[in-house]
Amino acid sequence: AQTVTQSQPEMSVQEAETVTLSCTYDTSENNYYLFWYKQPPSRQMILVIRQEAYKQQNATENRFSVNFQKAAKSFSLKISDSQLGDTAMYFCAFRLTGANSKLTFGKGITLSVRP
Amino acid sequence: DTEVTQTPKHLVMGMTNKKSLKCEQHMGHRAMYWYKQKAKKPPELMFVYSYEKLSINESVPSRFSPECPNSSLLNLHLHALQPEDSALYLCASSYVSGGEQYFGPGTRLTVT
Repeated sequence: AQTVTQSQPEMSVQEAETVTLSCTYDTSENNYYLFWYKQPPSRQMILVIRQEAYKQQNATENRFSVNFQKAAKSFSLKISDSQLGDTAMYFCAFRLTGANSKLTFGKGITLSVRP
Repeated sequence: DTEVTQTPKHLVMGMTNKKSLKCEQHMGHRAMYWYKQKAKKPPELMFVYSYEKLSINESVPSRFSPECPNSSLLNLHLHALQPEDSALYLCASSYVSGGEQYFGPGTRLTVT
């Protein structure tokens, strides 16, 4: 079975600063996806970034980038130039490739961006 | 279009009521999901439909009854719910082969 661990329940960052959210996972499989999802208060869960395990290059999406360390089973999210709209709960998630694979979530981290 | 829509946004129902939640997507995804989410917790998977057939039921009580009438629609029929069933119910869709799931905005359900 796959597990995803987010050990920090809460973090706070000053607007315009950089913050890194940690995530580790455990699997014996070789082919999978990793994701970061963002859920603002009382709003929709949206995909922030995805990483395919076979790709060595770290994914980036504008101010969001990941540090994917496959051997260490680590998948951290870096948010640069933090904005007030980044205030949200962030979930790290794992999914095996293949049909009927489930999305396994970490417990989530609440990020607050201070003005 | 990466949109998953859900209706209604909010629902208040008594324990003897019957109601339905609806979900729709037009991304050509053939896998659709129902999740239950409590405040400050990750979503918990309830059901998975693959090619309009129920492929996963995570031991959900029978008072929740899913239905997938076609490849774009997913319903969740509710009957005789308990107050502890109050939660945000999320629908999601994806390609069957894998990749990211796209979530709808959810239905906030309150059982009185």
